[in-house]
Amino acid sequence: DAKTTQPTSMDCAEGRAANLPCNHSTISGNEYVYWYRQIHSQGPQYIIHGLKNNETNEMASLIITEDRKSSTLILPHATLRDTAVYYCIVRRGKLIFGQGTTLQVKP
Amino acid sequence: DGGITQSPKYLFRKEGQNVTLSCEQNLNHDAMYWYRQDPGQGLRLIYYSQIVNDFQKGDIAEGYSVSREKKESFPLTVTSAQKNPTAFYLCASGFRDRDNYGYTFGSGTRLTVV
Repeated sequence: DAKTTQPTSMDCAEGRAANLPCNHSTISGNEYVYWYRQIHSQGPQYIIHGLKNNETNEMASLIITEDRKSSTLILPHATLRDTAVYYCIVRRGKLIFGQGTTLQVKP
Repeated sequence: DGGITQSPKYLFRKEGQNVTLSCEQNLNHDAMYWYRQDPGQGLRLIYYSQIVNDFQKGDIAEGYSVSREKKESFPLTVTSAQKNPTAFYLCASGFRDRDNYGYTFGSGTRLTVV
């Protein structure tokens, strides 16, 4: 199972794009990249997932490098409500959560 | 609306007592999971079940027990053998579509031992 590396914390100004990186250099060909976030004292919330191609939904965009060794989650216009811990998970099967990145959106 | 429900939201237990946390889903998901989260930490897997009447230990199963008699339900019992049970407990259900595994989480139960 691929291990992921994320920065411990990041700040972002409200209204700006938040770009959250994730390294997963040992990813294998059939493993998806998942992003979840957890707002304090709530259950994690699914954001987006992808395999090879870039993906976009109403919440975010996911950019996966061509070699699939890293990815970036983009929140295009961050709001204060986007303050949360963001988890990048690369896995085939049951999801294992690491420490994630604490994103602080500031006014 | 389909979803996953955990109850109660807050639970207090006296030392030495067993307590059962409820988790119910109406998403028709085959798999269900229990995680534990301590303050400032990530989620750790306690038990999981991929099919009715079958379950496997996760990374921290000691002091916990589960059952999976129905597809919709996956209760977790925190026994008196669990040395440090105070934590935030999260239940999830999951589906598989080829190599894509999707999870839905409940809102959690905060257990405090008094």
